[in-house]
Amino acid sequence: QKEVEQNSGPLSVPEGAIASLNCTYSDRVSQSFFWYRQYSGKSPELIMSIYSNGDKEDGRFTAQLNKASQYVSLLIRDSQPSDSATYLCAVNYNTNAGKSTFGDGTTLTVKP
Amino acid sequence: DAGVIQSPRHEVTEMGQEVTLRCKPISGHNSLFWYRQTMMRGLELLIYFNNNVPIDDSGMPEDRFSAKMPNASFSTLKIQPSEPRDSAVYFCASSSRGHASYEQYFGPGTRLTVT
Repeated sequence: QKEVEQNSGPLSVPEGAIASLNCTYSDRVSQSFFWYRQYSGKSPELIMSIYSNGDKEDGRFTAQLNKASQYVSLLIRDSQPSDSATYLCAVNYNTNAGKSTFGDGTTLTVKP
Repeated sequence: DAGVIQSPRHEVTEMGQEVTLRCKPISGHNSLFWYRQTMMRGLELLIYFNNNVPIDDSGMPEDRFSAKMPNASFSTLKIQPSEPRDSAVYFCASSSRGHASYEQYFGPGTRLTVT
């Protein structure tokens, strides 16, 4: 079983809708959680980080963390075609050197 | 800040040739990561350094791959000899421990094609 699991998708939503991306992780001491966005042919770009249970909002993006249930999610409100990309979930297990484990990513398509 | 810098951006070489990829991390970052990404296997961590010291190279596919970090501002990933199955996009990323713990910042990548 992989340490970080994501639905590969593709996930398709209409423009203006809420896109919900989910990620589960294995039962280990985990401290830091990240969402990266990767456009086709580009490098991963950090868009959200969350460290404690609850919600964290940044513009149209909301990250949600539930350590008891071992999941982290990303909500994108008012989805735009420019949000179409692959979203990677990453978990840091509190290693000194900052190694993160990445999921395989969920591909999101926002249709105009 | 200039971000993570990688060179070359594209590399086309013939099987058997030596390939050297270069990375300059963000100034002040003390961890550096080399990844490989393919459609089949996704994003794979090859090796990472902390304070210029290799911490975990278990992701390096085989002895043909080697990586060095001679100082805090430069790292190389070398493949010798290269094979067609090494064709992939290679990313370098850096991070620092601190308030924004372990957020990784990726370079633009090197697209390697081995014919």
